[in-house]
Amino acid sequence: AQSVTQLGSHVSVSEGALVLLRCNYSSSVPPYLFWYVQYPNQGLQLLLKYTTGATLVKGINGFEAEFKKSETSFHLTKPSAHMSDAAEYFCAVSTGGSYIPTFGRGTSLIVHP
Amino acid sequence: DTAVSQTPKYLVTQMGNDKSIKCEQNLGHDTMYWYKQDSKKFLKIMFSYNNKELIINETVPNRFSPKSPDKAHLNLHINSLELGDSAVYFCASSRQLGGNTEAFFGQGTRLTVV
Repeated sequence: AQSVTQLGSHVSVSEGALVLLRCNYSSSVPPYLFWYVQYPNQGLQLLLKYTTGATLVKGINGFEAEFKKSETSFHLTKPSAHMSDAAEYFCAVSTGGSYIPTFGRGTSLIVHP
Repeated sequence: DTAVSQTPKYLVTQMGNDKSIKCEQNLGHDTMYWYKQDSKKFLKIMFSYNNKELIINETVPNRFSPKSPDKAHLNLHINSLELGDSAVYFCASSRQLGGNTEAFFGQGTRLTVV
């Protein structure tokens, strides 16, 4: 079985500040990990994913995430927040044997001017 | 060209009515999904089809019936709508089932049952 926990349903940062959204997963086999972003009134779109290889993954819009097996984590970061980053962010985990990914409950990122 | 398109975007209807939501993908993907997102943004898988065959049918009431006439289409029909069916419904597709392939989502259909 696989599961995802996103710590903090809301994260608030100032424009220009570091963004850190936390994701921890549970999986009995090597996981595939995803971050999706959902802007208001839109569907989810992929920010980045980890499958194999390099553990630091770069995505769109300046976001990156690092797979840390020892910590079972896949935290999402961005050095400098922009107002346009305000959205809902979802972490998801899948494995080679699972039919569908398991999504976390989402973290709402609020960016203050 | 929208990769995954679903219609309508908004649907307001009375309890007891029957309604359908249509979904089409032009990505050539084998797998399509229906998700339900509740008011707290929680995403729940409802159905998954792979090459027109039903693969996953989560604990969804029988009033919900998916239909896949071909690989590019996955429609959702809902009978006898209830207040609790109010949510945003997302269609999605992926190149193959599960694993390391990401899903592409439609813009959602906001269903309001009054």
